[in-house]
Amino acid sequence: DIVMTQSPDSLAVSLGERATINCKSSQSVLYSSNNKNYLAWYQQKPGQPPKSLIYWASTRESGVPDRFSGSGSGTDFTLTISSLQAEDVAVYYCQQYYSTPSFGPGTKVDIK
Amino acid sequence: EVQLLESGGGLVQPGGSLRLSCAASGFTFSSYALSWVRQAPGKALEWISAISSSGDSTYYADSVKGRFTISRDNSKNTLYLQMNSLRAEDTAVYYCAKDRPKLWCFDYWGQGTLVTVSS
Repeated sequence: DIVMTQSPDSLAVSLGERATINCKSSQSVLYSSNNKNYLAWYQQKPGQPPKSLIYWASTRESGVPDRFSGSGSGTDFTLTISSLQAEDVAVYYCQQYYSTPSFGPGTKVDIK
Repeated sequence: EVQLLESGGGLVQPGGSLRLSCAASGFTFSSYALSWVRQAPGKALEWISAISSSGDSTYYADSVKGRFTISRDNSKNTLYLQMNSLRAEDTAVYYCAKDRPKLWCFDYWGQGTLVTVSS
């Protein structure tokens, strides 16, 4: 099974500043036959279900603001919120879908 | 608009059973695989089961294998999760999620239903 880890556990960022979340998989999620990373990001606000933000490591879901971006390849990935807004307060999860799905432990983002 | 609406959660004693349902609308139900993902209070998400679009193939996490059964009725646009031999550690919000085509990641989620296993 692929184990996902995230860092930091939580972070507080000033409004308008950049937030960076890291995600690491215990083995590569890059599928060589199509050169795609099987990695997704979700946002979960308090009391709500998760919402899809990004898949294929860097493809934004339709309607997701462009301040959200994903990067990385192989085993190391990053979710960046370029200019934090109040509505971005949430827990963010990465998930691999290279094999049976597994999620990271989550990173809580707050306003400083 | 895609909608997924779970029901069937509640309080059950250890060793008991419960069946969850997920009513879907807004997409061609029979064309998509579906999954159940749960979240224990204050904890991370955990994928527990998936079913192919036809229902012919099912998949389970080790934590529920042999105790839970996923199924679907494409004529009723409804997904099910039969949960037997429930344990305290099964206490969680259970979400149904629509899989992306041929991928095990999820583009739509239901609101969830809470299952509490306690005596």
